[in-house]
Amino acid sequence: GAGVSQSPRYKVAKRGQDVALRCDPISGHVSLFWYQQALGQGPEFLTYFQNEAQLDKSGLPSDRFFAERPEGSVSTLKIQRTQQEDSAVYLCASSLRRWRGAYNGETQYFGPGTRLLVL
Amino acid sequence: KNEVEQSPQNLTAQEGEFITINCSYSVGISALHWLQQHPGGGIVSLFMLSSGKKKHGRLIATINIQEKHSSLHITASHPRDSAVYICAVRPQGAQKLVFGQGTRLTINP
Repeated sequence: GAGVSQSPRYKVAKRGQDVALRCDPISGHVSLFWYQQALGQGPEFLTYFQNEAQLDKSGLPSDRFFAERPEGSVSTLKIQRTQQEDSAVYLCASSLRRWRGAYNGETQYFGPGTRLLVL
Repeated sequence: KNEVEQSPQNLTAQEGEFITINCSYSVGISALHWLQQHPGGGIVSLFMLSSGKKKHGRLIATINIQEKHSSLHITASHPRDSAVYICAVRPQGAQKLVFGQGTRLTINP
């Protein structure tokens, strides 16, 4: 079965350019996460969707970052007026939230990431 | 101070050695994850723990909730185990994961 896919895998942008990064989660997964991973660092949380609702966007570093998931499946992370400090790998993950029973957390399935380089 | 700290940051060992990677965290959690990341970016979930110990093949993960500490062990290490191992916690009441900075493991033949 298909896992989480992301596109493009690599993106080179000129400073000031807008970019859009796409995430296709595993079919039926309710939860979707975006993370940013700088070189040599662990990932950092950006935003979280439950279906189409963006429930947490506390990690978005500035108002240049915008994410949407209008139909509760595919998500797009948009970065406006890119800056050099935006260069990173952007990771998407999805999980299937269980609504019943004990719930201590779920496995998140990660996509391969989009490596963004802003020149 | 980061909420999740891993040690060591880098570890080089010979094939066959027993490997231990440590993770300490400072917040209340509902679960702790150990993840593996190979060059090129792909992240794979190894374990999710909320108590005790889990074993999968040559990998063992333990957690001590009272001490806010977890360890990942690899027995009979092999060069294909070379990767970055990342500890991540799920804070209580949150959906997101908070990650450590990762431990880069290199196993030489």
